[in-house]
Amino acid sequence: GAVVSQHPSWVICKSGTSVKIECRSLDFQATTMFWYRQFPKQSLMLMATSNEGSKATYEQGVEKDKFLINHASLTLSTLTVTSAHPEDSSFYICSATPGTSGVRGRGFKQYFGPGTRLTVL
Amino acid sequence: AQKITQTQPGMFVQEKEAVTLDCTYDTSDQSYGLFWYKQPSSGEMIFLIYQGSYDEQNATEGRYSLNFQKARKSANLVISASQLGDSAMYFCAMREGYRFTGANNLFFGTGTRLTVIP
Repeated sequence: GAVVSQHPSWVICKSGTSVKIECRSLDFQATTMFWYRQFPKQSLMLMATSNEGSKATYEQGVEKDKFLINHASLTLSTLTVTSAHPEDSSFYICSATPGTSGVRGRGFKQYFGPGTRLTVL
Repeated sequence: AQKITQTQPGMFVQEKEAVTLDCTYDTSDQSYGLFWYKQPSSGEMIFLIYQGSYDEQNATEGRYSLNFQKARKSANLVISASQLGDSAMYFCAMREGYRFTGANNLFFGTGTRLTVIP
């Protein structure tokens, strides 16, 4: 099956620093990548939708300047948490889709990365 | 209104028994897809099963089956012969739109924590 990787798997940083999280699709070209945030014992909340070569579409309430998303290639999207604060501590998960390939093709499924646990001290 | 509702925050099941996890959805689209994911303590989202709105038969994947009742807008997950390794969070999700273009994101429910008792 399709594989999506995330790096790092966990990171601890000081308040005020910036943290970059990478999301890679390893065996397919991802036309669209999604970034989710998950608080403990809660559901996944979509932060933004990232299309290769264009600006990300952010969900309401998500600060664009704080959560910078770059989808520079069909296999890589990055999320940068700028000037991180303790309230940004969370589990960040990316997912990727190969795009349209019919109703039952690979495009119907989202492939999730293993997640990145961010702790801001 | 919530697009996906999971009313069971936690469920317990005896090993080797079957368990049903409830999910109801809300959409005005005629074309949509319903998904179930498993999230163990490691955090990774594991795809379990998919049901398309036009699929006439209930989806099955090994020990997982989806009880799809379109008129009631429900898509319950049935796990047969539960195993200890099934203990995890389970999320129901929906994707709207027929062609499932990449721009159509998943809407997730709040999840159900399943605990399998030996």
